[in-house]
Amino acid sequence: QVQLVESGGGIVQPGTSLTLSCATSGFTFSSYTLHWVRQAPGKGLEWVAIISFDASNKYYADSVKGRFTISRDSSKSTLYLQLNSLRADDTAVYFCAREGSQNTYGYKAFDYWGQGTLVTVSP
Amino acid sequence: EIAMTQSPATLSVSPGERATLSCRANQSVDTYLAWYQQKPGQAPRLLIYGASTRATGVPARFSGSGSGTDFTLTISSLQSEDLAVYYCQQYDNWPPWTFGQGTKVEIK
Repeated sequence: QVQLVESGGGIVQPGTSLTLSCATSGFTFSSYTLHWVRQAPGKGLEWVAIISFDASNKYYADSVKGRFTISRDSSKSTLYLQLNSLRADDTAVYFCAREGSQNTYGYKAFDYWGQGTLVTVSP
Repeated sequence: EIAMTQSPATLSVSPGERATLSCRANQSVDTYLAWYQQKPGQAPRLLIYGASTRATGVPARFSGSGSGTDFTLTISSLQSEDLAVYYCQQYDNWPPWTFGQGTKVEIK
């Protein structure tokens, strides 16, 4: 069955860096576009970043552009999000999510989600 | 950027009654509209895509309708396990992919 498992969250100080991972299984990793979505405590869902199935296209929310970097490693079936220059308002649960169509990106809903990993940015 | 607005913020419904949730986009998203259910402490779960197609395993009491700018999620007969926050999301005009602020469904 399809699984996405995030890890790497924790408590960090403002201005520091962190790398999140999303280990996947149960599907052909290299055929699916993947996203990161975050949720601040008690708040709604905010899209963060996308990487296309072939890693040729990446887009970021304005709130993280220039600070966060999305990447993927097909040999490990793993998605990454590098978070730099962290701020208090980056505090959130970070979810990875799969876009529901093979060998394309953009015009599909997110059909599978991981359970999330909590990032807390605090002095 | 397309803004998604959901109403009401909170909906209190008795078991067995119908729940109707609304989502409005500030410009047309055709039928590139999804609904997600998020139960407390859990990840979101895809319920509806393409505005009206139920995802795999979703009970038939959940239905979606609408196109363009106005969309509705209906739970025909509310069950206690439907306690959750429901989000709409557009995937027509991106980036960014945008979500509504959510509707919390409470059991009366």
